[in-house]
Amino acid sequence: ETGVTQTPRHLVMGMTNKKSLKCEQHLGHNAMYWYKQSAKKPLELMFVYNFKEQTENNSVPSRFSPECPNSSHLFLHLHTLQPEDSALYLCASSPDLKGYEQYFGPGTRLTVT
Amino acid sequence: AQSVTQLGSHVSVSEGALVLLRCNYSSSVPPYLFWYVQYPNQGLQLLLKYTTGATLVKGINGFEAEFKKSETSFHLTKPSAHMSDAAEYFCAVSGGNNAGNMLTFGGGTRLMVKP
Repeated sequence: ETGVTQTPRHLVMGMTNKKSLKCEQHLGHNAMYWYKQSAKKPLELMFVYNFKEQTENNSVPSRFSPECPNSSHLFLHLHTLQPEDSALYLCASSPDLKGYEQYFGPGTRLTVT
Repeated sequence: AQSVTQLGSHVSVSEGALVLLRCNYSSSVPPYLFWYVQYPNQGLQLLLKYTTGATLVKGINGFEAEFKKSETSFHLTKPSAHMSDAAEYFCAVSGGNNAGNMLTFGGGTRLMVKP
């Protein structure tokens, strides 16, 4: 595998379910990001990790819980979501936080029913 | 702090016509500038970037962009549109090579190509 991979690509979950999104990067980067992309809204940065430490949490509700066990893996744990949380969730990575380009995964299309 | 404005959320061109997608930025430090393309249900793919040096930057798929400091612009162009160029395009800015400077994205421009 090369680049940034995300699994699953599609997820349908009920509001009482618990699920996790997984992201893996094969680029040797140290920074990883979660973004939310909703229809007709700008890209929203959710969380940032640098060298496994969380450096940014953009007022994301606690029903979203990130985890970064190492620089190559990033998870987003989901529980008791709302229908408005339905969106494309994108993971990205970059060498560090010094303003370089980010490399994106293909995203997970989440539908909350 | 930095921000990006993409003028026109939708742009429609005919196949073979010039593509021009507009991006203006604000940044308190010399910026790094990026254009990304997103096809339906896919992630963002880097088209091109400007960091330092030559202000006319060439990218993939025949696209190019010119950094104009005096106009705080980084417009994306392609001489001749193909049907396969139909996608959403995002301009982004960062505060250069400074720690803690992540990308700030514009709202995106959806490009439609008519046969």
